[in-house]
Amino acid sequence: GAVVSQHPSWVICKSGTSVKIECRSLDFQATTMFWYRQFPKQSLMLMATSNEGSKATYEQGVEKDKFLINHASLTLSTLTVTSAHPEDSSFYICSARDQTRLTDTQYFGPGTRLTVL
Amino acid sequence: DAKTTQPTSMDCAEGRAANLPCNHSTISGNEYVYWYRQIHSQGPQYIIHGLKNNETNEMASLIITEDRKSSTLILPHATLRDTAVYYCIVRWDTDKLIFGTGTRLQVFP
Repeated sequence: GAVVSQHPSWVICKSGTSVKIECRSLDFQATTMFWYRQFPKQSLMLMATSNEGSKATYEQGVEKDKFLINHASLTLSTLTVTSAHPEDSSFYICSARDQTRLTDTQYFGPGTRLTVL
Repeated sequence: DAKTTQPTSMDCAEGRAANLPCNHSTISGNEYVYWYRQIHSQGPQYIIHGLKNNETNEMASLIITEDRKSSTLILPHATLRDTAVYYCIVRWDTDKLIFGTGTRLQVFP
């Protein structure tokens, strides 16, 4: 099946610093990737849609200047949490659309756990 | 996107079939039914999806009613490793996936 990786798997940072999370589609090209956030005991919440070569589309209530998304290639999207604060501590998950198969399906990465001290 | 309704939790004995229901009464004709599961502290795993016909793969079977207003995910022989939160999502072709609260399936020995 299609494989999506994320790096790092976990990160701890100090308040006020920026953190970059990478999402890669390993065996397929993805023109579209998605970023989700999940707080403990809650469901996944879609943050933004990342399109290769164009600006990301953010969901309502998500600050685009705080969560910078770059989709520079067909296999890589990055999410940068700028000036992180403790309330940004969460599980960040990406997914990538695989359009090479018979039907369009999204595959998810393993997630990145961010802890802001 | 159409909304889905799933039971909050279910139990299943190991080795038995797990039948997870999902209601999607407002689904439109071009929306697919997708199932994903999330094991604790991992990213969601794709299981199966369908439009009108029943579908089967190596993981599960998907039964969609004729009126498409509900569906059932069947894990034919549940194992302890199938313990997870299962999400039923309806999605139009290239649209984004919106997750609900899902069903927490507990498989017990």
